[in-house]
Amino acid sequence: ETGVTQSPTHLIKTRGQQVTLRCSSQSGHNTVSWYQQALGQGPQFIFQYYREEENGRGNFPPRFSGLQFPNYSSELNVNALELDDSALYLCASSFGTGPGPQHFGDGTRLSIL
Amino acid sequence: AQTVTQSQPEMSVQEAETVTLSCTYDTSESDYYLFWYKQPPSRQMILVIRQEAYKQQNATENRFSVNFQKAAKSFSLKISDSQLGDAAMYFCAYRSGGGGSNYKLTFGKGTLLTVNP
Repeated sequence: ETGVTQSPTHLIKTRGQQVTLRCSSQSGHNTVSWYQQALGQGPQFIFQYYREEENGRGNFPPRFSGLQFPNYSSELNVNALELDDSALYLCASSFGTGPGPQHFGDGTRLSIL
Repeated sequence: AQTVTQSQPEMSVQEAETVTLSCTYDTSESDYYLFWYKQPPSRQMILVIRQEAYKQQNATENRFSVNFQKAAKSFSLKISDSQLGDAAMYFCAYRSGGGGSNYKLTFGKGTLLTVNP
């Protein structure tokens, strides 16, 4: 069973740039959720994708957007990067939209200079 | 909106001893799920234990058990026979169980657990 994989592991960008983070869901999972974890904080929900459609969104501005592909992998795109976007971005996959366990990847550490 | 509070930023325990991590939450829902996740320095969030709110019985997973007090909205994690590998950041999390399109996890700020040899 292949777990959740995220790429890249670490990324450095400057303010105003755009970034794309990638996530491959665990085998058999069709739902992907993205979380932002600032240093010393718990993760905060960004949005969830189910069957290629956004299925719920947290309190993040529209410059945070996403995609889910037919193979259930997903991308998180952030435009016009700000210093506060520096964080660990976690992807979690699950089966369906029920309260089954979410399985997390190792995250992408994004640093904004 | 639901909130999760972990009042202990840091805890330490001696190897082989028992430690309890505290978590309280606020919700108006009756159907929900509670989780404890472990995040070691490797960064991956690992599910430790899960509790369904409608179940009276406290969940147990090997050395990990919870004390779920629904009326008090309290959900503590007990780690017995602590091992060096238990050292990590521990997060308490809440998830709605009812219908709807959003099954997000709401996390507390975490408790950093140190295990001393």
